[in-house]
Amino acid sequence: DAGVIQSPRHEVTEMGQEVTLRCKPISGHDYLFWYRQTMMRGLELLIYFNNNVPIDDSGMPEDRFSAKMPNASFSTLKIQPSEPRDSAVYFCASSLGRAGNTIYFGEGSWLTVV
Amino acid sequence: KQEVTQIPAALSVPEGENLVLNCSFTDSAIYNLQWFRQDPGKGLTSLLLIQSSQREQTSGRLNASLDKSSGRSTLYIAASQPGDSATYLCATKGAGNTGKLIFGQGTTLQVKP
Repeated sequence: DAGVIQSPRHEVTEMGQEVTLRCKPISGHDYLFWYRQTMMRGLELLIYFNNNVPIDDSGMPEDRFSAKMPNASFSTLKIQPSEPRDSAVYFCASSLGRAGNTIYFGEGSWLTVV
Repeated sequence: KQEVTQIPAALSVPEGENLVLNCSFTDSAIYNLQWFRQDPGKGLTSLLLIQSSQREQTSGRLNASLDKSSGRSTLYIAASQPGDSATYLCATKGAGNTGKLIFGQGTTLQVKP
């Protein structure tokens, strides 16, 4: 299996622009997670889905952030409009079944908003 | 609210040394605890997963222990190698089985040849 695939790997954008990050989970996994990592705050869970349904979005920082999972093999995280404080590494992760199983992370999308 | 703490934030040791990384958590009602490794510019790789009913897990030179009552976990690395240099993160999953992992800030390990 190719693992969790994220795109783009790196993005530099200007403040105010829309940013869309994409994720393809491991085939067959029914949980998908979006995390954000910064030096100051570490790894934070933004939102997670189970069977394509958003379960907990309490970590989404504000209305500028939105996430969708239209099918089992694709998810997007959108920031509109982007701000410099959104600069971070955004990780997508997936796992199979209930909470007892290992979670697999993608390589991350490195976002810089200038 | 669960808080996960890892001390120290950074550690430097000579090659060959045995070492212990520490992880503490405030809410003992966890479902499991996982240790991850993160290399610079990369995602996280799961190393060991300990279920709440278990006391330890081993994989090669790595051994992770869990003491729920005291809210502690340790990752023991035997005979450290330069290739072990990375950031190690622990994360707990709540007993509600919600799927949500709470991460510590990590310990950055440097093993000097």
